[in-house]
Amino acid sequence: GAGVSQSPSNKVTEKGKDVELRCDPISGHTALYWYRQSLGQGLEFLIYFQGNSAPDKSGLPSDRFSAERTGGSVSTLTIQRTQQEDSAVYLCASSLGSPSGSDTQYFGPGTRLTVL
Amino acid sequence: ILNVEQSPQSLHVQEGDSTNFTCSFPSSNFYALHWYRWETAKSPEALFVMTLNGDEKKKGRISATLNTKEGYSYLYIKGSQPEDSATYLCAFIRGSTLGRLYFGRGTQLTVWP
Repeated sequence: GAGVSQSPSNKVTEKGKDVELRCDPISGHTALYWYRQSLGQGLEFLIYFQGNSAPDKSGLPSDRFSAERTGGSVSTLTIQRTQQEDSAVYLCASSLGSPSGSDTQYFGPGTRLTVL
Repeated sequence: ILNVEQSPQSLHVQEGDSTNFTCSFPSSNFYALHWYRWETAKSPEALFVMTLNGDEKKKGRISATLNTKEGYSYLYIKGSQPEDSATYLCAFIRGSTLGRLYFGRGTQLTVWP
């Protein structure tokens, strides 16, 4: 079956513009996660969604970042008024059930965001 | 800040060599340790999920061990092949924030033919 897909694969934008990154999780997966990897850094947690529960937004670096998940499936990560430090690879992952330590998270290929 | 450290940062070996990397993590509030392989231009691929102290997992030529009391995990690759070239990531899950992976920076492995 299809894995996690993300679009666009690359995005170049100018400082101050808004961007939207999209994630399509694996069908049937109820948990969805966003991470990012900035240059020279490890993967950093941003946010996760589980079913209809309130998302855990504790990893979002500023109020310019927001995410939503519509119909329990597709998710959009929005970055407003982009800054150069937002340049990173943004990865989405999904897992089968409630977030648990032993659930495998399946990752998409990522969106490489470059803010000029 | 939760520190997950991986060493070495990079490693170059010849085809056929065996190699190993280390992941260290906080030993308190441990829940699980994940290993991933991330090849350039591809998605990170899950290798192992380890939850019990003393766990040993194996997948082909790759194996991993876990020591939760002292907070480390080793990943071993036996008879490295060029296709093993990738960045190997470990990620820690603590009991109070299930589902949230705390990643190390990875070990970048290059296997020369």
